[in-house]
Amino acid sequence: VHLVESGGGLVEPGRSLRLSCAASGFIFDDYTVHWVRQGPGKGLEWVSGVSWNGGALGSADSVRGRFTISRDNAKNSLYLEMNSLRAEDTALYYCAKNRVPAAHSSGFDYWGQGTLVTVSS
Amino acid sequence: DIQMTQSPSSLSASIGDRVTITCQASQDISNHLNWYQQKPGKAPNLLIYDASNLEIGVPSRFSGSGSGTDFTFTISSLQPEDIATYFCQQDDNLPYTFGQGTRLEIK
Repeated sequence: VHLVESGGGLVEPGRSLRLSCAASGFIFDDYTVHWVRQGPGKGLEWVSGVSWNGGALGSADSVRGRFTISRDNAKNSLYLEMNSLRAEDTALYYCAKNRVPAAHSSGFDYWGQGTLVTVSS
Repeated sequence: DIQMTQSPSSLSASIGDRVTITCQASQDISNHLNWYQQKPGKAPNLLIYDASNLEIGVPSRFSGSGSGTDFTFTISSLQPEDIATYFCQQDDNLPYTFGQGTRLEIK
């Protein structure tokens, strides 16, 4: 199993960014996948998740209305569209896979190495 | 949102010690509680799922217990490679939430 995030970078406050996560080594269509972030020196924060059939699981209060999760099962890919970025969105963004298929969550058993988003002018 | 209160925030122990970390949920989450280990510069690693089930490949010195609102994570005999930060996570209710983490150091 491999999860490889991309799309991070330095962006000014108020701008947008799109993160991608390329998945391989498992049947992507069968699993809920998530975005989790970690600010510099901080703990983990679940950002959003999307179920195996494309239904969004919602998002954290801190990003609701600004971030949108989606997936393309044909491309084995997960995305996070981030709008109206704020300094407090600065973090390492991980994608993570659900441990069991066809379930919203039962632990995240595989994680990517993360892509760094820095929001600063 | 469900708040996860993890304690202690940091812990210093000796090799061979028994180490215990607790996690309290702000409401009943049944057994929907997971534990992760994160080493510096690395992604988190799932150790325990559904409160007490050991993930495949995880050493048996790690264990978890609890249900409802109170949970415990234990390392029966601390090893040098266990130095890391440990997080609990509830996945009973959306949004899923993590504890603030426990940094484990060698005394």
